[in-house]
Parts: sequence; C-alpha cells; structure tokens
Amino acid sequence: EVQLVESGGGLIQPGGSLRLSCAASAFSVSSNYMSWVRQAPGKGLEWVSVIYSGGSTYYADSVKGRFTISRDNSKNTLYLQMNTLRVEDTAVYYCARGGPYTSGWHHYFDYWGQGTLVTVSS
Amino acid sequence: QTVVTQEPSFSVSPGGTVTLTCGLSSGSVSSSDYPSWYQQSPGQAPRTLIFSTNTRSSGVPDRFSGSILGNKAALTITGAQADDESDYYCVLYMGSGIWVFGGGTKLTVL
Repeated sequence: EVQLVESGGGLIQPGGSLRLSCAASAFSVSSNYMSWVRQAPGKGLEWVSVIYSGGSTYYADSVKGRFTISRDNSKNTLYLQMNTLRVEDTAVYYCARGGPYTSGWHHYFDYWGQGTLVTVSS
Repeated sequence: QTVVTQEPSFSVSPGGTVTLTCGLSSGSVSSSDYPSWYQQSPGQAPRTLIFSTNTRSSGVPDRFSGSILGNKAALTITGAQADDESDYYCVLYMGSGIWVFGGGTKLTVL
C-alpha cells in the first residue's frame, strides 16, 4: 500500500530554516514526480514545488529562491528545505505523489500524506 | 498572474445534483490544462477524485463526474450524500512544471 509520511514541521522564527521530510513506501520516489502542496490555516491548497524523476525541479513564485526540493533515493524520501522563512509560510505541508504514466502523463496527484504543520512566528 | 476561480460555497439537498466549476481569470479551461479535482474534509488530507478532466480515481463512486462545460472544468455530484459535505479543489496544470489550485468550494449538503 502506497504511504507518504511527512515529518519535520514545528515552530520556527521568521528568517529561520527548516527541512521537511516525506518518507515513501510501496513505490520509489525516484520513479514518480513528487510535489509539495501547502495549506495555510483556514485557507485553500497551494502548490509549492515539484521534482521530476529526471531531477528537474520547479517552484511556485512565492517560494522560489527560498525553498529547495530534493530526494534521497536510497532512503526513498522526499525533502523540502525551507530557508528565510516568513510568517506567511505558516501552513500544513503535504507531500503528494504524481499520477503514473498511463497512455500519457495526466499531471495530477494520486496519493497524499497526512501533512506536517509549520508555524513561523516570533 | 494566473488565477483559478471556483465558487466559494455551494449548497445541495440530499439526493440532489450539484455542479462545481473551475475557471481561469483570463481565458478558457480546456482538457489540455489537465484539470483534476480533490475532496478535503476538515482536518484531513486531500483525496483525489478526478484527473484529466473526467477520469475517476480508483475507488471513487460514479456519482462523481468531471467534464468541460463551456469555458470551465466542472465537477458534478449526482445523488449527493451527507458525507459529500467537504471542500472541493480543482487544480490546473499550467505547463513547465507548474500547477495552480483554485480557491476551493465549500459544499454544504442540507
């Protein structure tokens, strides 16, 4: 059974750094595109970043230059390094698996973790 | 800046049919945007309902359907049930590794 388990959230001061992890099971993070999606308290979902199987990475404008997505294939884990954190980065961060190639790419997310809460506050 | 629009809220009677839409602030939504839909209950992770406009994700009942209606993507729930009361999000793939979510629709079943 596919599972995604996020960790690493917590309380951090503005300007600080935090690294989130997403441990995957029953599939290889290197074989799928993987994304981070966040949700501020009481707000909607916001796509944050993606890493493709070939290693290409992309970011939402709101985090570009501050966040870095990566993966460790040996640990089958996805990461999100978050630097220069701002109050507005406060959110639950979900990792999500990209849907598989079936007669083409469908550009969606088929499995989601339960999320980890990041609170940026002084 | 691309804005994906959704109705903030909608209400449906039990057993009724409701259609939620997903549009663009400028332009039309097409199947080339690969619209997908997600259901989220309070305190829960999103659940994938529909991808590529109209393909149901595994285990999703057939009373959920997706389509393109006019210049928007649409999610139709036929025979609404009490546990369909949730937030519904669409997301569009903008190309070049970028996705944009809509603001979500809060569906009330009463």
